[in-house]
Amino acid sequence: DIQMTQSPSSLSASVGDRVTITCRASQGIRNDLGWYQQKPGKAPKRLIYAASSLQSGVPSRFSGSGSGTEFTLTISTLQPEDFATYYCLQHNDYPFTFGPGTKVDIK
Amino acid sequence: QVQLQESGPGLVEPSQTLSLTCTVSGGSITSGYYWSWIRQHPGKGLEWIGYIYYSGSTYYNPSLQSRVTISVDTSVNEFSLRLTSVTAADTAVYYCARYEMAAISFDHWGQGTLVTVSS
Repeated sequence: DIQMTQSPSSLSASVGDRVTITCRASQGIRNDLGWYQQKPGKAPKRLIYAASSLQSGVPSRFSGSGSGTEFTLTISTLQPEDFATYYCLQHNDYPFTFGPGTKVDIK
Repeated sequence: QVQLQESGPGLVEPSQTLSLTCTVSGGSITSGYYWSWIRQHPGKGLEWIGYIYYSGSTYYNPSLQSRVTISVDTSVNEFSLRLTSVTAADTAVYYCARYEMAAISFDHWGQGTLVTVSS
C-alpha cells in the first residue's frame, strides 16, 4: 500500500494567517492526489483534485501544488470557517489511502 | 444536485453481518461513476473500503476483502455494503461517496452513519 503522511498533525493559527499543510507519499503518485476538508460531525468535502485543480465553489484562497511524492495545500488568508481537519488522499494505486489528517484550530 | 444517503442498523452484534444501503438521488447510478464506501473510526482518520461500477465490477481494500461485498441495484438507484464477521474494530462512521474517475476524486458524499458493534 502507498503510505501517506501529513505534517504538521495539528496547527494553531489566527484569522488572516497563511497556512501550509504538506502531504508526502511513500512512492511517486504523479498528481493523483486530492485534498478534503472535514468539519466535526460532517462528511469530508472535496477542495482540490488532481493535486492542483480547485473544486468549483471552493474559495480561491485554497490552492494545491506538487507532484510525485510531495504535495502542499495552502490557505492564503485563513477565515473563521476554515478551522477544520484536512486530509490528503492518493488515487494512484489501489487501495486508495488517506493521510492521517491535519487539524487546524484557532490560536 | 446529486445526493447520497446511507441507511441501515446503527447497532450490530459481534460476529454478525453489517449491512448498509446508499440511496442516490438527483442522478442515475448508471451515469458512469464509481460508487464507494469509506469509513472513519471514532476520532480517527479515513479508510477506503471499496467501490463498484454500475455494471457490477468492484475493487476492495485488501485489508477487508475477505469480509466485504459491495453490490448495486440499478432499478432503485442504490448500492450496498455487507461486512461479515464484525468485531468492535468495525465500529465506525460509514460514508457512501461518488467517485469521479475523470477528476480522480470523491465529489459527493453522504452524511455518514454511525455503526456500533456491540452485544
